Amino acid sequence: GQQVMQIPQYQHVQEGEDFTTYCNSSTTLSNIQWYKQRPGGHPVFLIQLVKSGEVKKQKRLTFQFGEAKKNSSLHITATQTTDVGTYFCAYAGGTSYGKLTFGQGTILTVHP
Amino acid sequence: KAGVTQTPRYLIKTRGQQVTLSCSPISGHRSVSWYQQTPGQGLQFLFEYFSETQRNKGNFPGRFSGRQFSNSRSEMNVSTLELGDSALYLCASSHGTNSPLHFGNGTRLTVT
Repeated sequence: GQQVMQIPQYQHVQEGEDFTTYCNSSTTLSNIQWYKQRPGGHPVFLIQLVKSGEVKKQKRLTFQFGEAKKNSSLHITATQTTDVGTYFCAYAGGTSYGKLTFGQGTILTVHP
Repeated sequence: KAGVTQTPRYLIKTRGQQVTLSCSPISGHRSVSWYQQTPGQGLQFLFEYFSETQRNKGNFPGRFSGRQFSNSRSEMNVSTLELGDSALYLCASSHGTNSPLHFGNGTRLTVT
């Protein structure tokens, strides 16, 4: 079935450095969602992108959806220790209430 | 508004036993979906329910089943437990089509 590949799998940064995770699909996606899971926690919704070329910002986080709707990225500017966790991209295929296909996630470690 | 509530938080079972996990969605959310999270396979979709009807099912054996009640609460059952069923089982509720998922804290199942 349709999958999304997420890279990198791990990222270690010093506090204050930037961080980017990428999500790639071989087919066009109708939408992309991003979630963050803190260590020991559960995934928490961050944002949803649906339009080609869409860019959304949340404070230090910038989310992009590619022009071809086959890739997406999450960029964090000047990371903080509170940014530690696993970032997942996910998409809902067709008309779905709760069925998402998740990427493998990028585990972010921030060294103070 | 109360979040998604999952019980129990932790379970230890023996191979061959069966287990039932419970999930109470956010008030007003009629969609409930279940996910299995393991270090090796990541987040994998099990099934989703809307108004007591199973709308989608993931690629899991028939030992995994679920149901939803008229008050939108949901249960999932795993029969004849195997070691590989050890995982974090997450329940999520959502408001409508392609809406963000709100996850519970999960049930950590250990099969010995």
